[in-house]
Amino acid sequence: AQSVTQLDSQVPVFEEAPVELRCNYSSSVSVYLFWYVQYPNQGLQLLLKYLSGSTLVKGINGFEAEFNKSQTSFHLRKPSVHISDTAEYFCAVARRQTGANNLFFGTGTRLTVIP
Amino acid sequence: DAGVTQSPTHLIKTRGQQVTLRCSPKSGHDTVSWYQQALGQGPQFIFQYYEEEERQRGNFPDRFSGHQFPNYSSELNVNALLLGDSALYLCASSLATGRGRGLPGELFFGEGSRLTVL
Repeated sequence: AQSVTQLDSQVPVFEEAPVELRCNYSSSVSVYLFWYVQYPNQGLQLLLKYLSGSTLVKGINGFEAEFNKSQTSFHLRKPSVHISDTAEYFCAVARRQTGANNLFFGTGTRLTVIP
Repeated sequence: DAGVTQSPTHLIKTRGQQVTLRCSPKSGHDTVSWYQQALGQGPQFIFQYYEEEERQRGNFPDRFSGHQFPNYSSELNVNALLLGDSALYLCASSLATGRGRGLPGELFFGEGSRLTVL
């Protein structure tokens, strides 16, 4: 079984400050890792993904995440946030064995950027 | 290019009733997945359809059923509604990951259908 833990339900941060949204996972098998973003009244949008290779992955809108296998973490970072980054962020995993379109999501972190 | 479209956007039902939600996938996509997102929670996988068959299923009772049509559109049906079924139901489309066509986890989501059960 897989589980995803997003340690912070809400993260307020001032505009142009850096931010890190934390994600830890557990799984008995190898997984793919994802971050999705949900803007108000919109569907989820893929931000970035780790499938293999370099453990540092870059996504859209200046976000990046680092896969740490020993700590089973996949934290999301941005060096300087904008007001438009205010949204709900979801970490997700998928088992490598099942075609990887069956995603297990965390409970989400609400990022609020303060002017 | 139209993305994933879902209908209706909002609906209210009473306990014991049945509901049908509809989804049209992004153009060119052949796989449709359904997720339930309760208030304050992350989406939970219900099931996935490919080639008009249910291919994977999450931990949901048989009251939840679906269908995929030859044009790849899909329906989600929920029978005998319970108060706990109140949620945002999300449809996601993708390309099948077999044969090197689709990338793992690259799902395109609709804006959802918000179901309220009274």
